[in-house]
Amino acid sequence: QITLKESGPTLVKPTQTLTLTCTFSGFSLATSGVDVGWIRQPPGKALEWLALISWNDDKRYSSSLRSRLTITKDTSKNQVVLTMTNMDPVDTATYYCAHRRTSGPVVYAFDIWGQGTMVTVSS
Amino acid sequence: QSVLTQPPSVSGAPGQRVTISCTGSRSSIGAGFDVHWYQQLPGTAPKLLIYGSSNRPSGVPDRFSGSKSGTSASLAITGLQAEDEADYYCQSYDSSLSGWVFGGGTKLTVL
Repeated sequence: QITLKESGPTLVKPTQTLTLTCTFSGFSLATSGVDVGWIRQPPGKALEWLALISWNDDKRYSSSLRSRLTITKDTSKNQVVLTMTNMDPVDTATYYCAHRRTSGPVVYAFDIWGQGTMVTVSS
Repeated sequence: QSVLTQPPSVSGAPGQRVTISCTGSRSSIGAGFDVHWYQQLPGTAPKLLIYGSSNRPSGVPDRFSGSKSGTSASLAITGLQAEDEADYYCQSYDSSLSGWVFGGGTKLTVL
């Protein structure tokens, strides 16, 4: 059974750097065809894809946020970390991590999501 | 403004059929990229409903179906039930943005 769980601060100040950790179980990011992505959702608004890291360490970023994002993985700890610099109140959102695969059943979609973690940006 | 366009809201009575559209472009849905649909119940994380435009993951009732044509896709829900009241999002890939994109979401109200 695949599970993911996001963790990190609930409150950050403007201009600070946000670091979020996605801890997962039931799969390995060392397995060919496996990805983990980050998606956020401001209160009452739509989902927005942020970043994705693949089993082979390929990294992809939203073009609008590329300069502020870094995604890394620690395969031994079953964790993916997302950092976002220069936080602003408009970055207030629930941040989700999600599993994706490019081979096997249920390909290409974000098929399993974490519960999400709410981050508020305020001084 | 989302890259994929969805109607903000749809509604239907119990037992009826509703459809939700998702309009993209030649660099997203029109380029042949898969469309996926997610259901988000109030206060919960999104749940995958349809993948690869028309496939249902295990456990999703066959009342939910998806289709794709040209630069658009649709989600159909038949035999509406009160428990279907949720927000629905489409998702695809956009080659001009080199990234994954979501629709603006559609709120389904069961009357």
